[in-house]
Amino acid sequence: AQKITQTQPGMFVQEKEAVTLDCTYDTSDQSYGLFWYKQPSSGEMIFLIYQGSYDEQNATEGRYSLNFQKARKSANLVISASQLGDSAMYFCAMRGSGGSYIPTFGRGTSLIVHP
Amino acid sequence: KAGVTQTPRYLIKTRGQQVTLSCSPISGHRSVSWYQQTPGQGLQFLFEYFSETQRNKGNFPGRFSGRQFSNSRSEMNVSTLELGDSALYLCASSLARLAGDLRHEQFFGPGTRLTVL
Repeated sequence: AQKITQTQPGMFVQEKEAVTLDCTYDTSDQSYGLFWYKQPSSGEMIFLIYQGSYDEQNATEGRYSLNFQKARKSANLVISASQLGDSAMYFCAMRGSGGSYIPTFGRGTSLIVHP
Repeated sequence: KAGVTQTPRYLIKTRGQQVTLSCSPISGHRSVSWYQQTPGQGLQFLFEYFSETQRNKGNFPGRFSGRQFSNSRSEMNVSTLELGDSALYLCASSLARLAGDLRHEQFFGPGTRLTVL
């Protein structure tokens, strides 16, 4: 079975500072993918970044980077230079062969960026 | 390129009724997935369709069903609505041809917020 744990229900960060959102996962799969999504108050889920289990380098997409520590089964999202528009819910998710590639989502972290 | 569209955006129904939600994927996307999001259960996968065939199914009762048309548009139906079916229903489309093709991201629609009274 696959499981995603996001232990931070809420996070606060000052504008222009960096913030790390935690995500740990549990799977027996060798091949899997890890994803981060952002969900603003409007409700639409926005894809941010993807990390494959066999990718040797940490994924980066603009201000987003994924701190992937395979042995610790963690996939933390780092947002650099936070902006007010980053205030939203953030979800970590995974898909793997053992789960028939059905995505499993964490419960999410609410990020509030202060001016 | 137009994004994923879902109709209607808001819906109010009463217990026992049935409802049909519609999703139009991004042009060229043949994979369409449906999710249910509630405060209590979080985001849960309902089913995925590819080329008019259900490719994957989550752990939901048979009251939840879906289909996909030849133009990749998809509908999901919930029969005999229960109060617990109140949720945000999200549709996502992807270029992925294989279920295990993880590198193709999913693009989500704005969702349909269903309220069951």
